[in-house]
Amino acid sequence: LAKTTQPISMDSYEGQEVNITCSHNNIATNDYITWYQQFPSQGPRFIIQGYKTKVTNEVASLFIPADRKSSTLSLPRVSLSDTAVYYCLVGDYAGNNRKLIWGLGTSLAVNP
Amino acid sequence: GAGVSQSPSNKVTEKGKDVELRCDPISGHTALYWYRQSLGQGLEFLIYFQGNSAPDKSGLPSDRFSAERTGGSVSTLTIQRTQQEDSAVYLCASSPQTGSNEQYFGPGTRLTVT
Repeated sequence: LAKTTQPISMDSYEGQEVNITCSHNNIATNDYITWYQQFPSQGPRFIIQGYKTKVTNEVASLFIPADRKSSTLSLPRVSLSDTAVYYCLVGDYAGNNRKLIWGLGTSLAVNP
Repeated sequence: GAGVSQSPSNKVTEKGKDVELRCDPISGHTALYWYRQSLGQGLEFLIYFQGNSAPDKSGLPSDRFSAERTGGSVSTLTIQRTQQEDSAVYLCASSPQTGSNEQYFGPGTRLTVT
């Protein structure tokens, strides 16, 4: 099964760009990479998803190299409200069933 | 439109009792997922439904755990003879199609077994 690896925690300051990298060496050929954000006492919230190269939306950018064995979530000019846990998600097949694999998450602390 | 809702938001039960947790997915979403999250931990996959069938139950921790989905909508997760290690937040998510990584989560049910 695919596995993901992320840093356990990161610290940043308001206004800085934050980059969080996730490793997924065994990602399936046809699978996407998805990132979620989770605040305390809430369910995770979808941020961004991509297959290769670069994807950008109003919240973040996602960079995926050609070999797709890793991905980097980029948060521009973070604010205090970006303090949260960020999860990298890929999927894999276990037999005929799809199993979505969640990373352990990166706890981002944005300081004033 | 309405998002995913879960009830109850909090449940405190005595060890050995049965509990039922409910999930109302977004209307029209065919896929429904149950996860468990212990304090400070990541999400642990439990089960997912495609329509009313559950192709993958491999994440259920023991035979005390079961889940069903009726009418392609509401789902219930049942834990029988609860144990203290069952204490966690139980999260439900729905998705427009099976296999999509874009899931919409409910607020969760915090279960405490005393």
